[in-house]
Amino acid sequence: SQQGEEDPQALSIQEGENATMNCSYKTSINNLQWYRQNSGRGLVHLILIRSNEREKHSGRLRVTLDTSKKSSSLLITASRAADTASYFCATDGGGSEKLVFGKGTKLTVNP
Amino acid sequence: DAGVIQSPRHEVTEMGQEVTLRCKPISGHDYLFWYRQTMMRGLELLIYFNNNVPIDDSGMPEDRFSAKMPNASFSTLKIQPSEPRDSAVYFCASSDRGPQPQHFGDGTRLSIL
Repeated sequence: SQQGEEDPQALSIQEGENATMNCSYKTSINNLQWYRQNSGRGLVHLILIRSNEREKHSGRLRVTLDTSKKSSSLLITASRAADTASYFCATDGGGSEKLVFGKGTKLTVNP
Repeated sequence: DAGVIQSPRHEVTEMGQEVTLRCKPISGHDYLFWYRQTMMRGLELLIYFNNNVPIDDSGMPEDRFSAKMPNASFSTLKIQPSEPRDSAVYFCASSDRGPQPQHFGDGTRLSIL
């Protein structure tokens, strides 16, 4: 069964606006990762946040993690048309060598 | 540095035919994962290898699916016989430390007619 569930399923915004995507999961984790998938391409790793971290930044990306609520959010600031893609969260189920991916949020950034 | 390389990129074949998908992981990565992506079920892990040894194949849907990793630089996923419900995009990914982070190939889009 899917461990991570993203919300919303789809999001459409204007260039320059911020985009926020949420992920909820069910079991304990060691870390949570976010990936991006452009149409017709493979997934690309964006950022990893460990269970003892609450917030992490990478360029225009900001990820938060609330282990008490079993949720994470990905914020993309000052969005660009090139950010148009699907975004997935993935969890390791508390130290498993496997990742379980959610079904993703499809983000469209309109120029 | 070359990423994960998958071939073919597209495969269209008739029901009942054997299908072989190929993957070359990033050099030095000890873990290799095979995934299947569909609209209905999302991204599903089929099987993964560590140091060429299959560790978990619980995601392989049926005996019609098999995967091998004869050496550190090559893996195959085989479907025999293929069925229309096997139509999906199949991804290979590799990593150097278990699941974190994983590097994906661009996938094989498989259509079974």
